[in-house]
Amino acid sequence: DVKVTQSSRYLVKRTGEKVFLECVQDMDHENMFWYRQDPGLGLRLIYFSYDVKMKEKGDIPEGYSVSREKKERFSLILESASTNQTSMYLCASRVQGARGKLFFGSGTQLSVL
Amino acid sequence: AQSVTQLGSHVSVSEGALVLLRCNYSSSVPPYLFWYVQYPNQGLQLLLKYTTGATLVKGINGFEAEFKKSETSFHLTKPSAHMSDAAEYFCAVSGNAGGTSYGKLTFGQGTILTVHP
Repeated sequence: DVKVTQSSRYLVKRTGEKVFLECVQDMDHENMFWYRQDPGLGLRLIYFSYDVKMKEKGDIPEGYSVSREKKERFSLILESASTNQTSMYLCASRVQGARGKLFFGSGTQLSVL
Repeated sequence: AQSVTQLGSHVSVSEGALVLLRCNYSSSVPPYLFWYVQYPNQGLQLLLKYTTGATLVKGINGFEAEFKKSETSFHLTKPSAHMSDAAEYFCAVSGNAGGTSYGKLTFGQGTILTVHP
């Protein structure tokens, strides 16, 4: 089975801190995604990556950046955390191509105080 | 540009009753359409998808959905609800042609399904 691992299940940070969320997949998938999930808003795409060193902005990239130096790892960076970035963050991966299914990690619940 | 609208943030049915969860999409190119389910305290998993071919697609656990291009809809149904179907359901769209939408998967707001005994 494909495994998508997010480094932390719960994270508490202070306003203004730089925050790193890590995601690793073990199935050599080309595409990786970062979403945030908020009640009533569903999943909103922050960034996605077609392959190593390639990235595309999603619908809500402001305040975030990403890094994909290796195929298996996709990092989400909050440059200066703010309280409105408190959310559940979900990482996902899939093989190359739009018709494939996404495999999701279990999520990181980030609280910014 | 693409978007998904799920009509009804909460749907409640009795066990054994028909389940109907509504999804309408907007896409500037022919779409790929998906339904994902999130059971309580679990990650999201694929329920079913439409890519090409038959417009009525069957998924896991007795669910099915029909792609209706003229109505830009992809509603999810199950003839008889079971208690274990209680979960949050997400419809999603991805463009299947080139352009900025290709590969980008956009989700709807989600519908929470409650099943009463």
